[in-house]
Amino acid sequence: QQQVKQSPQSLIVQKGGISIINCAYENTAFDYFPWYQQFPGKGPALLIAIRPDVSEKKEGRFTISFNKSAKQFSLHIMDSQPGDSATYFCAASSQGAQKLVFGQGTRLTINP
Amino acid sequence: DAGVIQSPRHEVTEMGQEVTLRCKPISGHNSLFWYRQTMMRGLELLIYFNNNVPIDDSGMPEDRFSAKMPNASFSTLKIQPSEPRDSAVYFCASRLAGGSYNEQFFGPGTRLTVL
Repeated sequence: QQQVKQSPQSLIVQKGGISIINCAYENTAFDYFPWYQQFPGKGPALLIAIRPDVSEKKEGRFTISFNKSAKQFSLHIMDSQPGDSATYFCAASSQGAQKLVFGQGTRLTINP
Repeated sequence: DAGVIQSPRHEVTEMGQEVTLRCKPISGHNSLFWYRQTMMRGLELLIYFNNNVPIDDSGMPEDRFSAKMPNASFSTLKIQPSEPRDSAVYFCASRLAGGSYNEQFFGPGTRLTVL
């Protein structure tokens, strides 16, 4: 019940296209859903996060869509650029919990 | 701020040797996390501390692994004896507790290779 399932494992998108990464969870106590971005040789860094009181959050080209009834959330990258090539992790936690439960990660490659 | 500092950045050792990984969290942060990243298992939480006290070590794989946080600015993760299957990238992260949704800041990681 603590798992967060992420798909796909890898994704190749053409420059200018839309990249979509999906995550699903079981624990209904989760109420914080961040996405982390990791470049090769670096640690993960927070990209964008959402709480379930909204269905969508947008920051620049990055959007999180959240479906509480389906217990799913997704990251959309609009106008994908080669510089977006990285590994993306979804995660979840519950209020008061210190730790994050991470998905398995998606390796995104944007072809020029 | 220098961010989370980890050392060494790379470590190559032989099976059976003791390995010590070090972490300096961001000044003022009071939660510290140790993670392990592998291709097969992704990003796994090993242990975390609040105010220097270990809170959850359920992710520590075996008794060969131990972690300490003697003060607010330093933590170690020790593997003794090391085995080839311990080869991974180990990350330390810190966070300012007190809010439910505070960001975790990750260090650059230590790439461990056990031969």
